[in-house]
Amino acid sequence: QSVLTQPPSASGTPGQRVTISCSGSSSNIGSNPVNWYQQLPGTAPKLLIFSNTQRPSGVPGRFSGSKSGSSASLAISGLQSEDESDYYCAAWDDSLSGPVFGGGTKLTVL
Amino acid sequence: VQLQESGPGLVKSSETLSLTCAVSRYSISSGFYWGWIRQFPGKGLEWIGNIYHSGNTHYNPSLKNRVTISVDTSKNQFSLNLKSVTAADTAVYYCARVEMNTAYFDFWGQGALVTVSS
Repeated sequence: QSVLTQPPSASGTPGQRVTISCSGSSSNIGSNPVNWYQQLPGTAPKLLIFSNTQRPSGVPGRFSGSKSGSSASLAISGLQSEDESDYYCAAWDDSLSGPVFGGGTKLTVL
Repeated sequence: VQLQESGPGLVKSSETLSLTCAVSRYSISSGFYWGWIRQFPGKGLEWIGNIYHSGNTHYNPSLKNRVTISVDTSKNQFSLNLKSVTAADTAVYYCARVEMNTAYFDFWGQGALVTVSS
C-alpha cells in the first residue's frame, strides 16, 4: 500500500488532454516538492517533472505539473500514442525521513 | 551518468541478497547521494536507502534492521546487502543518483530482477 495515492488507470484519445492526480499528506506533498516519473514497459523510471512544475531537459512541453496543498497533478496535453506508460508521483516524507512513491497510474491511449 | 546493477538473480529464502551498482561517466565522490529503490511485481516502488561518498547512510525504517549500503569510491560503485530475505523481497532492484533529502532521482540503472526462492 503506497503512501501517495494515485488512480490505477487513466485513458485518453490522441490529441486529448489528460490529468493524473496524486494525493498525500502534510508530511510529504504538503511540505515538500513533488516529482513525477514515467516508466515505459520494461524500462526504469525516468524523471519527467521535478519541483512540482519543472521539466528536465528533453521532456516535451506537453507535460506539466501542478501542486495545491497536499495534492499534485500531472497533465499531458496533445496526447500521443508514445505517452502510453506508467506514471508515478514521489515526494520526500518528513515522518519517514525518506522519499515515498505513489502506486502508479497506467495511462492508455485509446 | 550511467549506472549498472549486477548480482545474483536468484537468492534462497533466509539468505542475503547482494547487489552492486557501478557508476560511469561521473565520480561518486563529486557529490549527490546514491540510492537503491525496488519495484515489486505489482509495480509499487519502495525506497530502500541512500549513501553519500563519505559513507553516510539513510535507510527506510521498515528495512533498517536488514539492510546495509556501502560505497567503494576507488571502484566508483556502491552496494546493497539485504539479509534474511523472504519471497516478499522478490522485486526489480534499481540503483539511482539522488539529491539529498528529496525524491529527485535523476539517473537510474536498468534494474536487476531478484527472485527469492524457497
